[in-house]
Amino acid sequence: SAVISQKPSRDICQRGTSLTIQCQVDSQVTMMFWYRQQPGQSLTLIATANQGSEATYESGFVIDKFPISRPNLTFSTLTVSNMSPEDSSIYLCSAIAGFTDTQYFGPGTRLTVL
Amino acid sequence: QKEVEQNSGPLSVPEGAIASLNCTYSDRGSQSFFWYRQYSGKSPELIMFIYSNGDKEDGRFTAQLNKASQYVSLLIRDSQPSDSATYLCAVKGRMGSGTYKYIFGTGTRLKVLA
Repeated sequence: SAVISQKPSRDICQRGTSLTIQCQVDSQVTMMFWYRQQPGQSLTLIATANQGSEATYESGFVIDKFPISRPNLTFSTLTVSNMSPEDSSIYLCSAIAGFTDTQYFGPGTRLTVL
Repeated sequence: QKEVEQNSGPLSVPEGAIASLNCTYSDRGSQSFFWYRQYSGKSPELIMFIYSNGDKEDGRFTAQLNKASQYVSLLIRDSQPSDSATYLCAVKGRMGSGTYKYIFGTGTRLKVLA
């Protein structure tokens, strides 16, 4: 398994600002993902974070709004840019550990945009 | 569009009963199937994974897979109030070019009544 930490755990931000969320895994992982979860809803995949190259974004999500970095095998960041109240959500980092195909989740970042 | 379908619930069962959670998927090429439990305000945690047709048991949990019917289920025996949560079904599907995507259902909310 993989133990995943995220920072910050929650934040309240003003409209028009940006927030960077950090994700750290305790072991080398093959794949890392970023999800968004609105209250009472299921998970929506934002992008796959690729090590050393540009992230692969899902339909409806663009790099200018959600820039993602993954400089090494255990760390990734997601930035939510030029925030609006519609960006208020829980953002989750996940990872596939080792040679398994099992996905583990971080504790999430609860973002509120005023 | 590859899909994973779940009944949103809530599914209410009395304490001690068997809870049966169901999931259907559209991609016949899917190879790996996962069940996650998500308590309110928390991130998803893995309960079980299953790859082969048939049953897989782990404690009070049994996952059942029928690839011909494109159906996967989770049985929880001796349900406890602490099992009350949302259960997410996830399917790993091949997207082409050797890439994979994990598709989550919308989740079934389970309520175990004391």
